[in-house]
Amino acid sequence: KAGVTQTPRYLIKTRGQQVTLSCSPISGHRSVSWYQQTPGQGLQFLFEYFSETQRNKGNFPGRFSGRQFSNSRSEMNVSTLELGDSALYLCASSPFEAGGDGANVLTFGAGSRLTVL
Amino acid sequence: KNQVEQSPQSLIILEGKNCTLQCNYTVSPFSNLRWYKQDTGRGPVSLTIMTFSENTKSNGRYTATLDADTKQSSLHITASQLSDSASYICVVNTGGENKLTFGTGTQLKVEL
Repeated sequence: KAGVTQTPRYLIKTRGQQVTLSCSPISGHRSVSWYQQTPGQGLQFLFEYFSETQRNKGNFPGRFSGRQFSNSRSEMNVSTLELGDSALYLCASSPFEAGGDGANVLTFGAGSRLTVL
Repeated sequence: KNQVEQSPQSLIILEGKNCTLQCNYTVSPFSNLRWYKQDTGRGPVSLTIMTFSENTKSNGRYTATLDADTKQSSLHITASQLSDSASYICVVNTGGENKLTFGTGTQLKVEL
């Protein structure tokens, strides 16, 4: 079955612009979570959506937002881009809430690499 | 504060050699610990999951251990291959509100 699909894979923006990233989860998965990955900080949790509702949110400013649609596809938006927003943005899907209990596993997409100039 | 620390930060080994990556965590409560492998340009892929009662789990040439008392885990790679070159990330499921805590990863490079 198809994996997690993220678009676009690469994009370049300038400071002050905004960007929207898309994530299509594995069919049947209802949870989508987003992460920012930078060389120095590793994976940082942004937020998680489950059945169109935001369930958890990390410690990021309000410029970072997201939503989930009824078909479980999710988008994240970053407004007023800053140089420090340059990173690989990963989304992951799972059948249940990401943290979950037991053996719930995240399946990651390949990521969207954002460069802010 | 929940934290997951991994060591070493980076490692270079020769093909065929073994290596061990470390993960120390200070998260509570503990639900499970997972090791992920992330190839360059790809998303992380789960290698193993360890629950509180498990000490050792293997997945091919990868063997993970867990000491819940000392809050340490290790990932041992046997007979390394060039394809093992990747970042290895330790993730602890706290079961609390922010559920998953990620380590910053160990960058492994396997050379001829």
